[in-house]
Amino acid sequence: DTAVSQTPKYLVTQMGNDKSIKCEQNLGHDTMYWYKQDSKKFLKIMFSYNNKELIINETVPNRFSPKSPDKAHLNLHINSLELGDSAVYFCASSAGRGQFFGPGTRLTVL
Amino acid sequence: RKEVEQDPGPFNVPEGATVAFNCTYSNSASQSFFWYRQDCRKEPKLLMSVYSSGNEDGRFTAQLNRASQYISLLIRDSKLSDSATYLCVVIGYSGGGADGLTFGKGTHLIIQP
Repeated sequence: DTAVSQTPKYLVTQMGNDKSIKCEQNLGHDTMYWYKQDSKKFLKIMFSYNNKELIINETVPNRFSPKSPDKAHLNLHINSLELGDSAVYFCASSAGRGQFFGPGTRLTVL
Repeated sequence: RKEVEQDPGPFNVPEGATVAFNCTYSNSASQSFFWYRQDCRKEPKLLMSVYSSGNEDGRFTAQLNRASQYISLLIRDSKLSDSATYLCVVIGYSGGGADGLTFGKGTHLIIQP
């Protein structure tokens, strides 16, 4: 009965590859998010999405793209992976008062 | 001035003591404020919302000072399990979208036996 789940938990891949991280929430929330937490532990929002609007943090490279097949899912696709993409990626959802986070996906780009 | 600033610490505090830390924000139009805690190698978890009148949840008290643009978190009778990184979140005028939501870098708290 996990509220926000992500797969995979760990992802190790080579530079230049394309990868996806999946996120699902069973809370019935309207808004979902993707965050990146780098090695310095700074948590930075990348995207927010509800069924009406995608808001993109302007600093996010266009190699990153969220895709939402339905209200309960927001997947993250990353093209042409770079070394600097190595980080922990968190998915979250919200109904307006605070966010619930998934367990994170630790991405390592070699 | 950075959007949301926190003292990174670490704050080393003996068990049972009271500890408080602040989070300052630069956007005077900010609307909503939260405290999260994050344990090592875990996801952030919502600790409490911060209301204008101040609010309390057990040993935790959150305060908002709009005039000086900061929020605070006070922990009384600290427990070893309170050791974590505490993150403040500020939501701006545009709501909770990616263009209006900012996390602080966190304050690392270590409760010592």
